[in-house]
Amino acid sequence: KNEVEQSPQNLTAQEGEFITINCSYSVGISALHWLQQHPGGGIVSLFMLSSGKKKHGRLIATINIQEKHSSLHITASHPRDSAVYICAAPLWNFGNEKLTFGTGTRLTIIP
Amino acid sequence: GAGVSQSPSNKVTEKGKDVELRCDPISGHTALYWYRQRLGQGLEFLIYFQGNSAPDKSGLPSDRFSAERTGESVSTLTIQRTQQEDSAVYLCASSRLDAGPYYNEQFFGPGTRLTVL
Repeated sequence: KNEVEQSPQNLTAQEGEFITINCSYSVGISALHWLQQHPGGGIVSLFMLSSGKKKHGRLIATINIQEKHSSLHITASHPRDSAVYICAAPLWNFGNEKLTFGTGTRLTIIP
Repeated sequence: GAGVSQSPSNKVTEKGKDVELRCDPISGHTALYWYRQRLGQGLEFLIYFQGNSAPDKSGLPSDRFSAERTGESVSTLTIQRTQQEDSAVYLCASSRLDAGPYYNEQFFGPGTRLTVL
């Protein structure tokens, strides 16, 4: 069982739809990252948050530390939002803390 | 300013050969990370450098893998006696260390695609 789980694995939506991608984790954390991986492979950091909500343009990220859950929302989705979205959290493992990644959500926005 | 750069962008090698991958972090970024992404799979942590402190090598998959970084500059990831299962995209990222190694935004390089024949 992956310590950082994402859902759904794949998501296809029509342009303009409101998108929600979920991330849950099994142990307590202090912060969580949301990353975007473009079809060409490049990775961009979208958010790092430790509480509440952050907004950047049409992207909104929320986190509930107590419930061990975070969501990434995209409003007014556009085909250029098509990418793989990855959440990642710093988790302790055998005495070392390292960034542990979810398996990603592949988002496809159809014009 | 310049982002994180990696070289080469693509590397094809024969099984058993050694390869060296290079990462130039953003100037002033104390922390540097190496990750691996196999085809169709998620990112895996390999190694983390924090300034002049001892690196966290706990993610290196075998003793064929090693990495070096001098101060806060360039890092090289070396894979000796490459195997086909080493084929992957190797990604480097750097960050500041204001709030701790994994509590700052990470800036990723474009990656090196390694193919072992």
